[in-house]
Amino acid sequence: GAGVSQSPSNKVTEKGKDVELRCDPISGHTALYWYRQSLGQGLEFLIYFQGNSAPDKSGLPSDRFSAERTGGSVSTLTIQRTQQEDSAVYLCASSPLTGENEKLFFGSGTQLSVL
Amino acid sequence: GENVEQHPSTLSVQEGDSAVIKCTYSDSASNYFPWYKQELGKRPQLIIDIRSNVGEKKDQRIAVTLNKTAKHFSLHITETQPEDSAVYFCAATWWNFNKFYFGSGTKLNVKP
Repeated sequence: GAGVSQSPSNKVTEKGKDVELRCDPISGHTALYWYRQSLGQGLEFLIYFQGNSAPDKSGLPSDRFSAERTGGSVSTLTIQRTQQEDSAVYLCASSPLTGENEKLFFGSGTQLSVL
Repeated sequence: GENVEQHPSTLSVQEGDSAVIKCTYSDSASNYFPWYKQELGKRPQLIIDIRSNVGEKKDQRIAVTLNKTAKHFSLHITETQPEDSAVYFCAATWWNFNKFYFGSGTKLNVKP
């Protein structure tokens, strides 16, 4: 009965480096979302995966950001050539999206700090 | 796309008082409106939601109202308690749920 798991919980990197953030959704959840939460701000949509459909990447802020979801389960968000403005909490959420259940189950997030 | 606005950004109430948080949305196609609570340092969790086919929903001390004509919905918390202190986010989405558009959040502080 594990929830959504994200790793690492904290990541400090230098400007210009690449980082990979991992999300392990709840087993059986077909939908997976990535959101970004800057300090004191709301939840900014980044990307959405649903089953075998092509992902909705419309929220990715630049081509430095990419994400993939392998085997319909684990997802990795990659940020290339990190910039200081990328510093934020990156939240992953999954959902079964079945019947009347659209509830999002969030992970505890990855706090990314770009120095 | 959808645009969700949330007010106020901060709200301070005395324990036992009521708190109201309001959100407006722009896309009339939106039909599902959840509210998430995020306690300090924790992940957001769903506390209540409402669909466009009803105008009000209650769950103990919390309730949500929806006015489709005016495109706004509100969260009402009665008899507030210190443990209600958190950031509350409203959201809107529609039939294919590919994007949940979140408001900017309301930081609620309940003073004992």
